[in-house]
Amino acid sequence: RKEVEQDPGPFNVPEGATVAFNCTYSNSASQSFFWYRQDCRKEPKLLMSVYSSGNEDGRFTAQLNRASQYISLLIRDSKLSDSATYLCVVNRDSGGSNYKLTFGKGTLLTVNP
Amino acid sequence: EAGVAQSPRYKIIEKRQSVAFWCNPISGHATLYWYQQILGQGPKLLIQFQNNGVVDDSQLPKDRFSAERLKGVDSTLKIQPAKLEDSAVYLCASSLSGSYNEQFFGPGTRLTVL
Repeated sequence: RKEVEQDPGPFNVPEGATVAFNCTYSNSASQSFFWYRQDCRKEPKLLMSVYSSGNEDGRFTAQLNRASQYISLLIRDSKLSDSATYLCVVNRDSGGSNYKLTFGKGTLLTVNP
Repeated sequence: EAGVAQSPRYKIIEKRQSVAFWCNPISGHATLYWYQQILGQGPKLLIQFQNNGVVDDSQLPKDRFSAERLKGVDSTLKIQPAKLEDSAVYLCASSLSGSYNEQFFGPGTRLTVL
């Protein structure tokens, strides 16, 4: 089983739609969780961290379920500019106070006019 | 604030040739990472430096890949000899000490091996 697995996508949605991405992780020792966004032929950039209590940033809501080892990202009122690949990222202690980020494969979102 | 700088942006070589990539992290960032991103995949960590020491190189193909960060600032990643399957984007990232902090990525070097 891969350490981080995401919805394979791609997702094609109209402007204004709500879309949700799911992600599961295999290592129960994972400690912190993120969603990164990667535009076509660009570098990944942090979108938001994911907290146990759930967190919201404008139209974006991230949730974490540690018991199920599941992370989600919800985008409401999709904009054309939301078109990108969304990467689920898991951080775990790799020993010696060092942490290792593992990226999922990414889910491609295209928002259509 | 200047971001992570990488060069070259693009490189085309033939298999069995050598290639080197350079990265200059954000000033003050102690931790530097090299990732390999194959088309359609997420980035895969190759090596992580804390200052000038290696803290994780478990996924670095050491028979052909090497990396150094001699003065704890900029870094080079080398492939010698290159194989067709090394075609990918090589991303450098940096963060304040430890990857618990946000990682900032450079624009990447797109390598094509023919």
